[in-house]
Amino acid sequence: AQSVTQLDSQVPVFEEAPVELRCNYSSSVSVYLFWYVQYPNQGLQLLLKYLSGSTLVESINGFEAEFNKSQTSFHLRKPSVHISDTAEYFCAVSGGSGGSYIPTFGRGTSLIVHP
Amino acid sequence: GAGVSQTPSNKVTEKGKYVELRCDPISGHTALYWYRQSLGQGPEFLIYFQGTGAADDSGLPNDRFFAVRPEGSVSTLKIQRTERGDSAVYLCASSLSGGNYGYTFGSGTRLTVV
Repeated sequence: AQSVTQLDSQVPVFEEAPVELRCNYSSSVSVYLFWYVQYPNQGLQLLLKYLSGSTLVESINGFEAEFNKSQTSFHLRKPSVHISDTAEYFCAVSGGSGGSYIPTFGRGTSLIVHP
Repeated sequence: GAGVSQTPSNKVTEKGKYVELRCDPISGHTALYWYRQSLGQGPEFLIYFQGTGAADDSGLPNDRFFAVRPEGSVSTLKIQRTERGDSAVYLCASSLSGGNYGYTFGSGTRLTVV
């Protein structure tokens, strides 16, 4: 079985400040890890993913996440946030080779960027 | 199509009625997933199709929920005798087999049972 924990339900931050959204997972097999973003009244959009290889993955809009196997974490970071980054962020895990391809999602973290 | 399409975008129904929610996945995506998202929660898995068959339906909450994908593309989620607790956003996602390339989600159907 696999599960995802997003400890922070809400993260308020000022514009241009750095931010970290935490994600921890549990799984008995190798994993694929994902971050999705959901803007108000919209569907989930893939932000970035880790499948294999380099443990640091980046998105096109300045977010990055690092896979840490020993800490079973996949925290999302951005060095300087914008107002437009205000959204709900979901971490998800699915099984890698031999595991379940059904992604399991965390409950989400609401990022609120203040001017 | 270019993305995953879900219809209707909004559905209001009376308690006890039957509803159908439609999902049109990305062309060529063999895997299709249904999720339910309640307010303030993450998406909860309902059912997973690989081709025409339901490979895993362990997330369906009870026998009022059923889904089909008869030709391996469009899928319909069917809910019988709707209850107020069924109110949620129902999300559909598709992927190439195995999910290595990520999962593309539709915008969802917001179901409100009154």
